[in-house]
Amino acid sequence: ETGVTQSPTHLIKTRGQQVTLRCSSQSGHNTVSWYQQALGQGPQFIFQYYREEENGRGNFPPRFSGLQFPNYSSELNVNALELDDSALYLCASSLEGGSGELFFGEGSRLTVL
Amino acid sequence: AQSVTQLDSQVPVFEEAPVELRCNYSSSVSVYLFWYVQYPNQGLQLLLKYLSGSTLVKGINGFEAEFNKSQTSFHLRKPSVHISDTAEYFCAVRRSSNTGKLIFGQGTTLQVKP
Repeated sequence: ETGVTQSPTHLIKTRGQQVTLRCSSQSGHNTVSWYQQALGQGPQFIFQYYREEENGRGNFPPRFSGLQFPNYSSELNVNALELDDSALYLCASSLEGGSGELFFGEGSRLTVL
Repeated sequence: AQSVTQLDSQVPVFEEAPVELRCNYSSSVSVYLFWYVQYPNQGLQLLLKYLSGSTLVKGINGFEAEFNKSQTSFHLRKPSVHISDTAEYFCAVRRSSNTGKLIFGQGTTLQVKP
């Protein structure tokens, strides 16, 4: 059973650029959620995807968008990057209707200069 | 809306001593409660969870937590810590009807000293 994998692990962008982060769900999981963890803070919920549709969103602007593919993998896209977007982005997969346990990847650390 | 407050930002403790990391939550609806651990430069690993049933929950690595509904608390305990327990610990809550949206506390840094 493979766990949640994320890519890239680290990346550096400049203000105004766009970034795409990728996530492969744990085998058998059909729900993916994304979290932003700023330095020294707890993770903040960005959004969740189930059956390729967004079905929950946190307090993040529309320039944060996502996709879920038929194989349940997912992308997080961030447009018009700002300095405050610098953070660790965590992907988590789970099974809708299951016990609710989220399985997290190791994250993608984004630095915006 | 739900919220989580971790009452200590840092907890220093000597090796083999007991430790308690405190977590209070607020919610008007039924919730599930979780503790996660994050080692440096890694993702989050589930320590334990409370969904229903017994209020004393046992997790991995010798950790346990007690759900107290009247005090809206979910404190994490370990009777004897090891150097390897040094990490960031997060308490989290979610509505029982929503699979993905976890609300996390700010985290508690556990520093185990030799």
